[in-house]
Amino acid sequence: GNSVTQMEGPVTLSEEAFLTINCTYTATGYPSLFWYVQYPGEGLQLLLKATKADDKGSNKGFEATYRKETTSFHLEKGSVQVSDSAVYFCALSDTQGGSEKLVFGKGTKLTVNP
Amino acid sequence: DSGVTQTPKHLITATGQRVTLRCSPRSGDLSVYWYQQSLDQGLQFLIQYYNGEERAKGNILERFSAQQFPDLHSELNLSSLELGDSALYFCASSVAPNTEAFFGQGTRLTVV
Repeated sequence: GNSVTQMEGPVTLSEEAFLTINCTYTATGYPSLFWYVQYPGEGLQLLLKATKADDKGSNKGFEATYRKETTSFHLEKGSVQVSDSAVYFCALSDTQGGSEKLVFGKGTKLTVNP
Repeated sequence: DSGVTQTPKHLITATGQRVTLRCSPRSGDLSVYWYQQSLDQGLQFLIQYYNGEERAKGNILERFSAQQFPDLHSELNLSSLELGDSALYFCASSVAPNTEAFFGQGTRLTVV
């Protein structure tokens, strides 16, 4: 079945450092890809998305490009802030069998120190 | 605020008991999804409803059931609870297939 693999954390960075969180997927068809963020004690929030190959999703300084040839959707940010500390989830939309569920990676915890 | 409301926020109950979790989707969203988040399993899809009808089932135990009512709110019923059912249960809603899902803040269930 469809699946998402993302780099295991935790990741600890200093403020203004460059961030990359790797995400690869296995899917039949052409799923949409998403990054969700979960701040402590809160639900998941959509960070960005891409719906087709070569699309770039971006939001709040974060970017990810849908790479079909490498089945990847890596999350990047040029300069992280303390407020970016959260758990980040890569996900794909699975529409097999008539459902539209999201399949998530295991999450990567990011801690940014001042 | 995602617009998805879940109640209660916290629930503590004993093994063998039954609980009901409630979700109100965003206005206009017809699809409701339930997910379970635990430390060992991560985020697991449980079940989806669309406009009152069950659309897809994931890793949902037979002790668990759900429904979506005519006003589109949904309830997840968990019975014969076990310690291992302790987790964060999220509801999400979306307006159409392949669009982003908006998540509630979750219900944290603790079974003692």
